Amino acid sequence: NAGVMQNPRHLVRRRGQEARLRCSPVKGHSHVYWYRQLPEEGLKFMVYLQKENIIDESGMPKERFSAEFPKEGPSILRIQQVVRGDSAAYFCASSPARSPYNEQFFGPGTRLTVL
Amino acid sequence: LAKTTQPISMDSYEGQEVNITCSHNNIATNDYITWYQQFPSQGPRFIIQGYKTKVTNEVASLFIPADRKSSTLSLPRVSLSDTAVYYCLVGDGTDKLIFGTGTRLQVFP
Repeated sequence: NAGVMQNPRHLVRRRGQEARLRCSPVKGHSHVYWYRQLPEEGLKFMVYLQKENIIDESGMPKERFSAEFPKEGPSILRIQQVVRGDSAAYFCASSPARSPYNEQFFGPGTRLTVL
Repeated sequence: LAKTTQPISMDSYEGQEVNITCSHNNIATNDYITWYQQFPSQGPRFIIQGYKTKVTNEVASLFIPADRKSSTLSLPRVSLSDTAVYYCLVGDGTDKLIFGTGTRLQVFP
């Protein structure tokens, strides 16, 4: 019973390159969330998606960042023209549906380092 | 979503009971209180959730007073492997989770 899978686990990019982070939710989960965590800080919400729809992107920077969750395949968080400030751990979480519960299942994260 | 306040850090020794209190003065009627645990280099993991009174599972207990403006996570007889950051969150489960900086628990032998 696989949990949330994220790849790659570690990603190194030079300034100006593109970073693509992938997230496969728990099987049967249709809600995906992306969070970013800087060292010694809590997680910060970025975007909430359901299949083929962005529900809430209030935490996403207006430029260079985009996310998708296609009908088939993993959710993708894309960062264009990365800068050093993008270095962080990016976590994906999934949940089965909206409910009165706050349980989200988190992946192991992708650690992005921008040189 | 309600804002939470919890101690930045706590120290304990193996075998002791640890209680971490979280304040959430502006909690809404539909909000649940949820605690997550995060080990270094891992994603957060759901520990326990409650709405009022007391909830207990195999890992922890959660105490919530009648006014629901605070809650206490209780970890019985901690071990070294309980060293982690613990996050208290409140929300109605229909949207994003709002994480604070959490409480960094260090367990010593």
